[in-house]
Amino acid sequence: EAGVAQSPRYKIIEKRQSVAFWCNPISGHATLYWYQQILGQGPKLLIQFQNNGVVDDSQLPKDRFSAERLKGVDSTLKIQPAKLEDSAVYLCASSRTENTEAFFGQGTRLTVV
Amino acid sequence: AQSVAQPEDQVNVAEGNPLTVKCTYSVSGNPYLFWYVQYPNRGLQFLLKYITGDNLVKGSYGFEAEFNKSQTSFHLKKPSALVSDSALYFCAVRRGDYKLSFGAGTTVTVRA
Repeated sequence: EAGVAQSPRYKIIEKRQSVAFWCNPISGHATLYWYQQILGQGPKLLIQFQNNGVVDDSQLPKDRFSAERLKGVDSTLKIQPAKLEDSAVYLCASSRTENTEAFFGQGTRLTVV
Repeated sequence: AQSVAQPEDQVNVAEGNPLTVKCTYSVSGNPYLFWYVQYPNRGLQFLLKYITGDNLVKGSYGFEAEFNKSQTSFHLKKPSALVSDSALYFCAVRRGDYKLSFGAGTTVTVRA
């Protein structure tokens, strides 16, 4: 079974630029998550999808972050414009249902300079 | 409000000794609890889960965890630690609204 795929693995951008991350979940997984992990901290949930509907986005900075899940499968997370404090690893995860364990991709390390 | 807490930032043990990583939770109802491990520059790997049933849960790589409802704890254990167990460990809880929340993590160092 293929795992969660994320791209790119690394990205360096200047502040005020925009960036997009892509995630392909495990086939058949209905729930998809985007987490932000700042160095030395635990993952913070940005947004959680159930199929293509949003379950929770209470911690998503909506003035600059946006996410969508097309047709309930792939997802993209966008930041526009980026700030220095957005430097972090962005993790995508998926789970079969909203109750089961989540499986994570390798993450995208974003550096904003 | 924090849903899960890991009271120790770091745990250091000698190889061959027992390893315990602590986790407490604070959610209403019956919690779904998970442990994950993260190696440098890698995503999180699922170790084990507690949903219901036996309070002692066995997982990958010889790890196990004990659910204690009265103490609201879900400590991760391994009877004999290996140097290769050195990593960052996260406890997570799925709340009643199905959000999956993580603790701050515990760095485990196993010395040879």
